[in-house]
Amino acid sequence: DTEVTQTPKHLVMGMTNKKSLKCEQHMGHRAMYWYKQKAKKPPELMFVYSYEKLSINESVPSRFSPECPNSSLLNLHLHALQPEDSALYLCASSSGGRLSNQPQHFGDGTRLSIL
Amino acid sequence: AQSVTQLGSHVSVSEGALVLLRCNYSSSVPPYLFWYVQYPNQGLQLLLKYTTGATLVKGINGFEAEFKKSETSFHLTKPSAHMSDAAEYFCAVSAGSARQLTFGSGTQLTVLP
Repeated sequence: DTEVTQTPKHLVMGMTNKKSLKCEQHMGHRAMYWYKQKAKKPPELMFVYSYEKLSINESVPSRFSPECPNSSLLNLHLHALQPEDSALYLCASSSGGRLSNQPQHFGDGTRLSIL
Repeated sequence: AQSVTQLGSHVSVSEGALVLLRCNYSSSVPPYLFWYVQYPNQGLQLLLKYTTGATLVKGINGFEAEFKKSETSFHLTKPSAHMSDAAEYFCAVSAGSARQLTFGSGTQLTVLP
């Protein structure tokens, strides 16, 4: 069992739909991340939230909109996605702080398919 | 800037044989190094981490890795492979005040009966 919970596990949506991915952690971590992973590739960083503020946006298209309602929750709002956005979307968290020696803990991901 | 190179995108070993997955890093400041494993249809699970101190790091599932600064390497080993070790393995580095992980391209481990 992972300590980072992502819902839904699978999502199929059309290019005109609006949907949201959800991520929750109860480890008291103050940094949360969204990654995109294509098959047979390493995860690619999309967004980083630190103490509930967006600290890094890796030039992600605006059709992806992150939100951090509180320190335990992270959402990724999706709108007007393209077929190439089909991928595994991973959420991760870490204890944050100034040093980067704390490992990130990953959820099992949401597998997204765009029709 | 930091980077990671994993040598060998695919490694096959026989059950019971030594597992060696290679990782070399580049960093302008002292690095923090991690190995993650990803089983099919799952997220990444932390195997072990090097931050400071002892250079031989023990992880879960019988894996260990040795940090060699002179060789800028952090290779992952396991004395005896098990069928359940078949998975994708990622080496990752972070350094300085950045919280970003830089991943290697991954190594797919196959364990043959």
